[in-house]
Amino acid sequence: EVQLVESGGGLVQPGGSLRLSCAASKFTFSTYWMGWVRQAPGKGLEWVANIKQDGSEKYYVDFVKGRFTISRDNAENSLYLQINSLRAEDTAVYYCARTVGATAFDIWGQGTLVTVSS
Amino acid sequence: DIQMTQSPSTLSASVGDRVIITCRASQNINSWLAWYQQRPGKAPKLLISKASNLETGVPSRFSGSGSGTEFTLTINSLQPDDFATYYCQQYTSYSIFTFGPGTKVDIK
Repeated sequence: EVQLVESGGGLVQPGGSLRLSCAASKFTFSTYWMGWVRQAPGKGLEWVANIKQDGSEKYYVDFVKGRFTISRDNAENSLYLQINSLRAEDTAVYYCARTVGATAFDIWGQGTLVTVSS
Repeated sequence: DIQMTQSPSTLSASVGDRVIITCRASQNINSWLAWYQQRPGKAPKLLISKASNLETGVPSRFSGSGSGTEFTLTINSLQPDDFATYYCQQYTSYSIFTFGPGTKVDIK
């Protein structure tokens, strides 16, 4: 079964950093654009970032530029999101997702919760 | 930046009802619109891509239409599994995505 499994979430203090990981299986990871979407508690979905198949192009929502970095390791079938200078408003479930035709997300992970609090 | 709106924000319906959710874009997005269903505590599920393409395995009671700036998701004969929150999502060039605020379909 095609699967994405996130890890790396947890409780972190404001100003701290985290690296989220997403392990892909049962599909050819290197041929897909991939992305991250987050959802604050009780709120809607918010697109965060996308990355091209070879990592040569990366796009971010405006309010995370400079703090978040998306990357991938195709040899390891893994996607990453480095989050720095964390703020309380970054508290959310972070989903890893595969794009279909680079225009929509067809496969989603189960999400990993990031809580920013002192 | 392209903004997405959805209406209504909440919709109360009964099993068997026909439900229509509207999504509007602040500028022309052609047919680059997707619809997702999200049940509480679960990851979203892609229902429709490119405004009207039903994803494999999605029941045929779901349908999407529209182009340009106005789109609709129709659920014919609402089933118990369909009580959920629905999001639209647009795509622009440079792989920039934007989600709508969501429409919660609950039981009347």
